[in-house]
Amino acid sequence: SYELTQPPSVSVSPGQTATITCSGDKLGGKYTCWYQQKPGQSPVLIIYQDNKRPSGIPERFSGSNSGNTATLTISGTQAMDEADYYCQAWDSSTAVFGTGTKVTVL
Amino acid sequence: QVQLQESGPGLVKPSETLSLTCTVSGGSISSYYWSWIRQPPGKGLEWIAYIYYSGSTNYNPSLKSRVTISLDTSKNQFSLNLNSVTAADTAVYYCARSLYGAGFDYWGQGTLVTVSS
Repeated sequence: SYELTQPPSVSVSPGQTATITCSGDKLGGKYTCWYQQKPGQSPVLIIYQDNKRPSGIPERFSGSNSGNTATLTISGTQAMDEADYYCQAWDSSTAVFGTGTKVTVL
Repeated sequence: QVQLQESGPGLVKPSETLSLTCTVSGGSISSYYWSWIRQPPGKGLEWIAYIYYSGSTNYNPSLKSRVTISLDTSKNQFSLNLNSVTAADTAVYYCARSLYGAGFDYWGQGTLVTVSS
């Protein structure tokens, strides 16, 4: 089965840039989405089709996807960005989620 | 504004069937894919299945033998049945909407289902 691997944790200082990777076989050939999930809340779609932001998502969130790796970048990270982040792609008509990354804003 | 709301028992006995319903309001069920996704306590997200408004379905291969998803367009609802449950099926279950190949843009609030005798 298809797998998406993320680093378990990423730490970032306020105002700095956080980078979260998502690795999968030939992932660059698939569209990747990213979700933010805060404790006790449902996930929120923050990036779809590799690099598009839904309405209402701040511009500091951006995405890219090439080769075997998709990347979520949070520029000018704020304390409110502390959360779990999940990548997701479709493989053979099944949705696959990444292992998740906990972002800590120190 | 589209809203999704899960409903169903919060406690299911081992070996029995977990049944949940998602009610969609504020929008039509047409032209979208409707999924169930779960998250065991403290763990990551796992997609279970989707149903298209036309009735076509697809399942996570790891759960396919135990899962049925169905749709009632007249009630703007879709449902999940997961049989032969064990403690490993204890999770928050979410319903969510997507377009094919795109992301899940609307989610329910989630409902915790505990499998225990």
